[in-house]
Amino acid sequence: DTGVSQNPRHKITKRGQNVTFRCDPISEHNRLYWYRQTLGQGPEFLTYFQNEAQLEKSRLLSDRFSAERPKGSFSTLEIQRTEQGDSAMYLCASSLGLGTRVTEAFFGQGTRLTVV
Amino acid sequence: RKEVEQDPGPFNVPEGATVAFNCTYSNSASQSFFWYRQDCRKEPKLLMSVYSSGNEDGRFTAQLNRASQYISLLIRDSKLSDSATYLCVVNVRPEVSSSASKIIFGSGTRLSIRP
Repeated sequence: DTGVSQNPRHKITKRGQNVTFRCDPISEHNRLYWYRQTLGQGPEFLTYFQNEAQLEKSRLLSDRFSAERPKGSFSTLEIQRTEQGDSAMYLCASSLGLGTRVTEAFFGQGTRLTVV
Repeated sequence: RKEVEQDPGPFNVPEGATVAFNCTYSNSASQSFFWYRQDCRKEPKLLMSVYSSGNEDGRFTAQLNRASQYISLLIRDSKLSDSATYLCVVNVRPEVSSSASKIIFGSGTRLSIRP
């Protein structure tokens, strides 16, 4: 399968625990995005990378959220000290960025996080 | 003001009807535009890119109005299988001088086709 892959698909955690999600993008894509989606809303931008560089992190994100893409390939999103409000679907997408233009983004199936 | 705004709907129309969605964006430097479709509890998938001259793909027509900063999606002869949420997507450059851009989604317009 050469699409975007996310693991795990589902995660249930207790409040206060740390969780880490992984995303493997399409191999030739240099841009990688993380989004969060709750019921009835569109995907909310969290952060994105061009190769290994993190270009922007949403102001809506607290310091409990961190993302890395150490070798410009896969990425991880970590949430520390989870809260019930963190429960959502976390979506990863990748695309090819060519200067100021981007090709369409392809999404993984998401990781559904439930904080109890 | 949100970077990408859509009418959330829901739009509830009979099979065979024509339905149109609009979307406005705030960043005049945006250069790439897309419509995505998202089915319930699934990931978004590309429906079509939107080109300056407008483009058509079967029953779907997308148009871009740069002067007014909006894009539209028209669905003709709607089918039951068209029921989904339609997401407007725009690339946004954080700063004019920046060569990087991020992809921003609207909140989506829910469409329900009834028999």
